[in-house]
Amino acid sequence: ETGVTQSPTHLIKTRGQQVTLRCSSQSGHNTVSWYQQALGQGPQFIFQYYREEENGRGNFPPRFSGLQFPNYSSELNVNALELDDSALYLCASSSETRPETQYFGPGTRLLVL
Amino acid sequence: AQSVTQLDSQVPVFEEAPVELRCNYSSSVSVYLFWYVQYPNQGLQLLLKYLSGSTLVKGINGFEAEFNKSQTSFHLRKPSVHISDTAEYFCAVSEYGGGADGLTFGKGTHLIIQP
Repeated sequence: ETGVTQSPTHLIKTRGQQVTLRCSSQSGHNTVSWYQQALGQGPQFIFQYYREEENGRGNFPPRFSGLQFPNYSSELNVNALELDDSALYLCASSSETRPETQYFGPGTRLLVL
Repeated sequence: AQSVTQLDSQVPVFEEAPVELRCNYSSSVSVYLFWYVQYPNQGLQLLLKYLSGSTLVKGINGFEAEFNKSQTSFHLRKPSVHISDTAEYFCAVSEYGGGADGLTFGKGTHLIIQP
């Protein structure tokens, strides 16, 4: 059974640019959630995808968007990057029978200059 | 909406001593509760979870937690810590049936094991 994987591990962008982060869910999981973890803080929920549709969203602006593919892999897109978007972005997957129990990937660390 | 308070930002403990990391939550509905551990420069690893049933939950690496509904607490304990337990620990809550709203995390407690 493979765990949650994310790519890239690190990324440096400049303010105003766009970024795409990728996630592969754990085998058998069809739900994926994305979180933003600022330095020294707990993760904050961005949104969740189930069967390729967004079915829950936290308090993040529309420039944060996502996609889920038929193989349950997922992307997080952030447009018009701001300095405050610098953070660790975590992807988590869960199963249909236990959607509340989420398993996290190693994260992508984004630095916006 | 739910919230989580981790009362201690840092907890220093001597090796082989017991430890308790405190977590209190606020919610108007029934909740699921979780503890995650984050080692430096890594993602989150699930330590244990309370979904229903027995209020004493055992997890990996010798950790356990007790759900106390009247005190809205879910404190994490370990009877004897090791240097390898040095990490950031996060308590999280999810409202029952509200999985689509994601997990709400506390700010974390940094467990520092002193030799």
